[in-house]
Amino acid sequence: SQTIHQWPATLVQPVGSPLSLECTVEGTSNPNLYWYRQAAGRGLQLLFYSVGIGQISSEVPQNLSASRPQDRQFILSSKKLLLSDSGFYLCAWSSSNHQPQHFGDGTRLSIL
Amino acid sequence: SQELEQSPQSLIVQEGKNLTINCTSSKTLYGLYWYKQKYGEGLIFLMMLQKGGEEKSHEKITAKLDEKKQQSSLHITASQPSHAGIYLCGATTGNQFYFGTGTSLTVIP
Repeated sequence: SQTIHQWPATLVQPVGSPLSLECTVEGTSNPNLYWYRQAAGRGLQLLFYSVGIGQISSEVPQNLSASRPQDRQFILSSKKLLLSDSGFYLCAWSSSNHQPQHFGDGTRLSIL
Repeated sequence: SQELEQSPQSLIVQEGKNLTINCTSSKTLYGLYWYKQKYGEGLIFLMMLQKGGEEKSHEKITAKLDEKKQQSSLHITASQPSHAGIYLCGATTGNQFYFGTGTSLTVIP
């Protein structure tokens, strides 16, 4: 069966520091991969999605970036974190655009 | 942009009561998905609906998609404290995937 791992679970970082969140999927090949942010409240904001290695689409301009160095690995990065980057970050995968997405457990990011 | 409106925003019910959450789109949907989220955790996929008029059930949760494929409802029968959480609908209209803003459900024992 397929599983998705996301880490770390929680992270406290100072303003201006770099960020790297990692997400890996097991048990499937060539998945669609997604990064979401869930700020205060419940709405999910799609940040990036990828349909293949090296293929990244950005939905919202910001100081975050994403990379997909391997088929089942998706990384969310920042060179300098802002206070507004605080939130709950979720990674997800799906087998295609029209199949449900399955989510990791999320990373709670707090910027001080 | 595609919007999914969920109602109500929050719901507090007594244990054992039935409840319904609605999700409405202004456009015809290719697929409609229901998720549940406990605070601070990831989303758990519940059900997917793709055909107009489709209805699916899992334990005490039933989801329906209307014939026009623009509105879905999630119905919980005889609610329990374990049903508490945030329920989100998600939908695809093509290559885009959208989420509703969620409904927070509290079940009082």
